[in-house]
Amino acid sequence: KAGVTQTPRYLIKTRGQQVTLSCSPISGHRSVSWYQQTPGQGLQFLFEYFSETQRNKGNFPGRFSGRQFSNSRSEMNVSTLELGDSALYLCASSPNLAINEQYFGPGTRLTVT
Amino acid sequence: AQSVTQLGSHVSVSEGALVLLRCNYSSSVPPYLFWYVQYPNQGLQLLLKYTSAATLVKGINGFEAEFKKSETSFHLTKPSAHMSDAAEYFCAVSDRGNTPLVFGKGTRLSVIA
Repeated sequence: KAGVTQTPRYLIKTRGQQVTLSCSPISGHRSVSWYQQTPGQGLQFLFEYFSETQRNKGNFPGRFSGRQFSNSRSEMNVSTLELGDSALYLCASSPNLAINEQYFGPGTRLTVT
Repeated sequence: AQSVTQLGSHVSVSEGALVLLRCNYSSSVPPYLFWYVQYPNQGLQLLLKYTSAATLVKGINGFEAEFKKSETSFHLTKPSAHMSDAAEYFCAVSDRGNTPLVFGKGTRLSVIA
């Protein structure tokens, strides 16, 4: 069974631009969560989607948004990029709402210049 | 609110020596606890998890961890370190598995030949 895939793997953007990251969960998984990883703040929860509905949202500004499609694929969008948004963005999927079965993708490395 | 403290941002051990990575948690309800490993330029891989069953949990690659409620700890151990164990290790907590993961800052493990 294929794992969680994230595209693109690497991305370079300029301040003020917007970016969209994509996550395809493991086949059959209905829950997708997003995390931001930075050297300073570590791993922080962004949001969680289940059956196209946002269930939880972390403490991030409104510039960060996401959605989930009917096939469970998810996208996250960051508008008006800031230098501090440079991070590794990780997506995790699980078959249901249980956190104990979460599988992570390889991440998208976003660099904002 | 949950929190996780990992003592030691960097631990160095000799090949063949005991590995001990410390994790203390704070949670107002029964926690689910996890250890993840991250190799360079990769996502997170689940090593093991505690979900309110046996307090001694065995995971992959010879790692194990013991849940000690009285000490609010979930330390990760491996009897004999291998060069391939060099990576970043993260401890995480979730309230009963129903809430997003809260991660510790991580501990980088170096293995010396």
